Amino acid sequence: NAGVTQTPKFRVLKTGQSMTLLCAQDMNHEYMYWYRQDPGMGLRLIHYSVGEGTTAKGEVPDGYNVSRLKKQNFLLGLESAAPSQTSVYFCASSYSGRAEQFFGPGTRLTVL
Amino acid sequence: AQKVTQAQTEISVVEKEDVTLDCVYETRDTTYYLFWYKQPPSGELVFLIRRNSFDEQNEISGRYSWNFQKSTSSFNFTITASQVVDSAVYFCALSESPHRNTGKLIFGQGTTLQVKP
Repeated sequence: NAGVTQTPKFRVLKTGQSMTLLCAQDMNHEYMYWYRQDPGMGLRLIHYSVGEGTTAKGEVPDGYNVSRLKKQNFLLGLESAAPSQTSVYFCASSYSGRAEQFFGPGTRLTVL
Repeated sequence: AQKVTQAQTEISVVEKEDVTLDCVYETRDTTYYLFWYKQPPSGELVFLIRRNSFDEQNEISGRYSWNFQKSTSSFNFTITASQVVDSAVYFCALSESPHRNTGKLIFGQGTTLQVKP
């Protein structure tokens, strides 16, 4: 059981470049989430999904898009990266809206 | 709007001291869940506890204990006889009402705990 995995672990982008972060879980969880962590601000929800084929906006969705084509995968896209998107990104999953979330190891993204 | 406040940005203690991490929350929901997560220096987030708003019983797990007081909207976390391995950032989080079934969490800013030998 790998739990929640994220690829890549590190990435450096130039302003304006695009990229996709991949989150995969092998726990058959319905719910998946993308957060960003910035110093002194805790974790903030970007987008989330309550099931395959569904997505919804979180607290800070601007500049990001997501897709949940398969139950086990949740992709986070940056179409045109900006320095303000420099952050650590965490993916999480849970089996229901009432359960604890299990987190991936994080992706450290730097936008120059 | 929901909000979680962890007023203690950093705490430093000497090993074997007891330490309490404060968490105060705001919500208009009558039903909700509260969580604590630990983020050690390695960076991953580790689930510690989930508490239903209807359950105000204090909980103890080894050296960890949690005090939930609905009257003061607080969910404090105490580590007894702290150890160097307890050094980490600790996050308190609040969920939306489970009736909305989104599982969305609002996190506090985190408290960095340093336990010195």
